[in-house]
Amino acid sequence: GQQLNQSPQSMFIQEGEDVSMNCTSSSIFNTWLWYKQDPGEGPVLLIALYKAGELTSNGRLTAQFGITRKDSFLNISASIPSDVGIYFCAGRGGSNYKLTFGKGTLLTVNP
Amino acid sequence: NAGVTQTPKFQVLKTGQSMTLQCAQDMNHNSMYWYRQDPGMGLRLIYYSASEGTTDKGEVPNGYNVSRLNKREFSLRLESAAPSQTSVYFCASSRDSQGGELFFGEGSRLTVL
Repeated sequence: GQQLNQSPQSMFIQEGEDVSMNCTSSSIFNTWLWYKQDPGEGPVLLIALYKAGELTSNGRLTAQFGITRKDSFLNISASIPSDVGIYFCAGRGGSNYKLTFGKGTLLTVNP
Repeated sequence: NAGVTQTPKFQVLKTGQSMTLQCAQDMNHNSMYWYRQDPGMGLRLIYYSASEGTTDKGEVPNGYNVSRLNKREFSLRLESAAPSQTSVYFCASSRDSQGGELFFGEGSRLTVL
């Protein structure tokens, strides 16, 4: 089956710093999604990407669909305490229309 | 704007007991999903329903059954709960099975003693 490798597993940063995380796939994807999960809540969609090379922003968040279609990146600029949570990538590819999720990146922001 | 609603939010069971997790969505979505989330494992698909009247196994279906009651509702049943089923369960829905974006409920935390 499709495998997703998300890194880093966790990050501890100071407020104001920029953050970068990524996901790589063992196969080609045609959709990449980035979700954020707050403690005790369900994942909430941040950004959806549907085309190789696509770069999309949502406020301080920017995500890119890699040219090889096997990777995606999420950047958060000027982090704030409410950015704390788990960030998941998810991808879908080929004839397999089920989403595959990465294992998440736990982000902690120190004020 | 309810979106995806799950009940109950918390449940404690003894080994061997049965229970059903309920899920309803009000977005007129065709596809619905059940995931479980365990530390370090991310989200794993248990069962899904691409459209009303169909259900299919996901990655970890053993020990679970599902029912797509109608377009809005998709329930997950544990017939004989085991400690390995202690987890947080999430229901999700999407426009259709190839529609990309999943919308999640708030989760149901289940503990099996």
